[in-house]
Amino acid sequence: GAGVSQSPSNKVTEKGKDVELRCDPISGHTALYWYRQSLGQGLEFLIYFQGNSAPDKSGLPSDRFSAERTGGSVSTLTIQRTQQEDSAVYLCASSLNNIQYFGAGTRLSVL
Amino acid sequence: ILNVEQSPQSLHVQEGDSTNFTCSFPSSNFYALHWYRWETAKSPEALFVMTLNGDEKKKGRISATLNTKEGYSYLYIKGSQPEDSATYLCASSGSNDYKLSFGAGTTVTVRA
Repeated sequence: GAGVSQSPSNKVTEKGKDVELRCDPISGHTALYWYRQSLGQGLEFLIYFQGNSAPDKSGLPSDRFSAERTGGSVSTLTIQRTQQEDSAVYLCASSLNNIQYFGAGTRLSVL
Repeated sequence: ILNVEQSPQSLHVQEGDSTNFTCSFPSSNFYALHWYRWETAKSPEALFVMTLNGDEKKKGRISATLNTKEGYSYLYIKGSQPEDSATYLCASSGSNDYKLSFGAGTTVTVRA
């Protein structure tokens, strides 16, 4: 079956621009996570959606970051007024039980 | 969020040789330890999920052990092949916590 799909795979943007990253989770998976990996760092938790519950936004680094999940399926991560330190690989994962299944990520480069 | 550390950061292995590397995590409030393999331009792939002290899991030439009392896990690759080249990530979760705390990974390069 189809895995977690993320788009775009690469995004180059100018400092100050807004970007939107998309995640299509595995069908039927109720939980969805966003992570990012900055150079030399481990995967950093950003936000967690579970069914209809309020999302856990505790990992979002600033109020420039927001995410939504429409209809319990597709999720978008929005970064407003991008900064160079936002450059990273942004990964999405979905899960039904204890195992998280990841997409291939979006590599964001802010110039 | 738990503090997970992996060492070494990178290693180079000759094809056919065996190797191993470490993941350490806080042993208090531990629930599960996950290992993932992340090849360039691909999705991280789940290898193992372990919960019990003394657990050993095996998948082909790759195996892992878990010591929850001292807070470490080893990943072993036997008879390394070029296709084993990847970054290996470990992640830990605490009780009643859905969040995974990841280490920075060990990048393995297998030379033919």
